[in-house]
Amino acid sequence: GQNIDQPTEMTATEGAIVQINCTYQTSGFNGLFWYQQHAGEAPTFLSYNVLDGLEEKGRFSSFLSRSKGYSYLLLKELQMKDSASYLCAVRSPAHAGNNRKLIWGLGTSLAVNP
Amino acid sequence: DAMVIQNPRYQVTQFGKPVTLSCSQTLNHNVMYWYQQKSSQAPKLLFHYYDKDFNNEADTPDNFQSRRPNTSFCFLDIRSPGLGDAAMYLCATSRAPGENQPQHFGDGTRLSIL
Repeated sequence: GQNIDQPTEMTATEGAIVQINCTYQTSGFNGLFWYQQHAGEAPTFLSYNVLDGLEEKGRFSSFLSRSKGYSYLLLKELQMKDSASYLCAVRSPAHAGNNRKLIWGLGTSLAVNP
Repeated sequence: DAMVIQNPRYQVTQFGKPVTLSCSQTLNHNVMYWYQQKSSQAPKLLFHYYDKDFNNEADTPDNFQSRRPNTSFCFLDIRSPGLGDAAMYLCATSRAPGENQPQHFGDGTRLSIL
């Protein structure tokens, strides 16, 4: 089957670093996306990984290991506004029959405390 | 400037009374998606259009239909809403078929059923 696992909740302190993990089991792999979703709002795109390694974008970085079916999102210098849900989503050609659909994790709810 | 626009942000309807949600985009993207998202759950894909080609998910209830009269607009019609259809409805777009193309979301319409 197709499955994506993320921790349900995490807590961190303002100014710190937090790592949100995502593991996936899918029939094929065509890329992994991270989205941020504030309560009551739509998801916004953060990062995309298709090759192994680290992609850095300002305070946010995302890592992928295809052999392990594993990704993480690293948030540095945490700010209060980073309190949100972080969704991991995988593009799987076998799931889609094309490249247009995503398999979504349930999201990790991150609370940043002062 | 908003690129994927959903109207209205909040919609209240009565049990069994048809309702239409709208989405427009200024990105000229080929693909438009409709998702249903309930609290603390992942977005659930209902259907998507690749240009005029309509793709329904196997588990989308018959009560849900969609129209895409042109590239810019897409509508979600719920023929006879039930209490279980109360949710956030998200419209998203993407270019196709590029693998690294993220989905861009509108702000969503929160649907309440009385």
